[in-house]
Amino acid sequence: NAGVTQTPKFQVLKTGQSMTLQCAQDMNHNSMYWYRQDPGMGLRLIYYSASEGTTDKGEVPNGYNVSRLNKREFSLRLESAAPSQTSVYFCASSETGMNTEAFFGQGTRLTVV
Amino acid sequence: GDSVTQMEGPVTLSEEAFLTINCTYTATGYPSLFWYVQYPGEGLQLLLKATKADDKGSNKGFEATYRKETTSFHLEKGSVQVSDSAVYFCALRISAGNKLTFGGGTRVLVKP
Repeated sequence: NAGVTQTPKFQVLKTGQSMTLQCAQDMNHNSMYWYRQDPGMGLRLIYYSASEGTTDKGEVPNGYNVSRLNKREFSLRLESAAPSQTSVYFCASSETGMNTEAFFGQGTRLTVV
Repeated sequence: GDSVTQMEGPVTLSEEAFLTINCTYTATGYPSLFWYVQYPGEGLQLLLKATKADDKGSNKGFEATYRKETTSFHLEKGSVQVSDSAVYFCALRISAGNKLTFGGGTRVLVKP
């Protein structure tokens, strides 16, 4: 079972470069999320998609864009990377519902220099 | 807005000690509550959950009770093992549609 797959696992960017983080899930979940994890700050929601064709801003959306390409895939794009975007990024998915479990990918460690 | 507050870590314990991690929440409405665990180098995974007041979630020796009157969901384990060393996150979901809101995480280190 692949679950939630994120690529790449590690990335180093120079300030101003762009990149796309890829995420795919094979559980037929409606909802997908992008979080960033910073020391002492827990997980903060960047964007989420409650269903295919919809996306909504989370707590920290500035500097990011997302695309829900289809039900399986949800990508996160940094158009012009900044050092403040150095973080660990997690993609997650869940079925619709108050009580459903969210499944997380292994994370992408991004460093912007 | 909705928020989750956890005790700051790190929490350092000896094996077989009792563990408590405090979690309180602020929410409009009646959330579902979750504890997730993150082992080193991995993503988060669900540890337990509770969906209504006075529910108790339990898994792997961990327990947490949904206390509406104190808006709390404290995590407890009676006898920790070295393998319980991880970061623990309290989280809530307020609606079916659907985002999870996380606390800051508590790092737990269990020494032999």
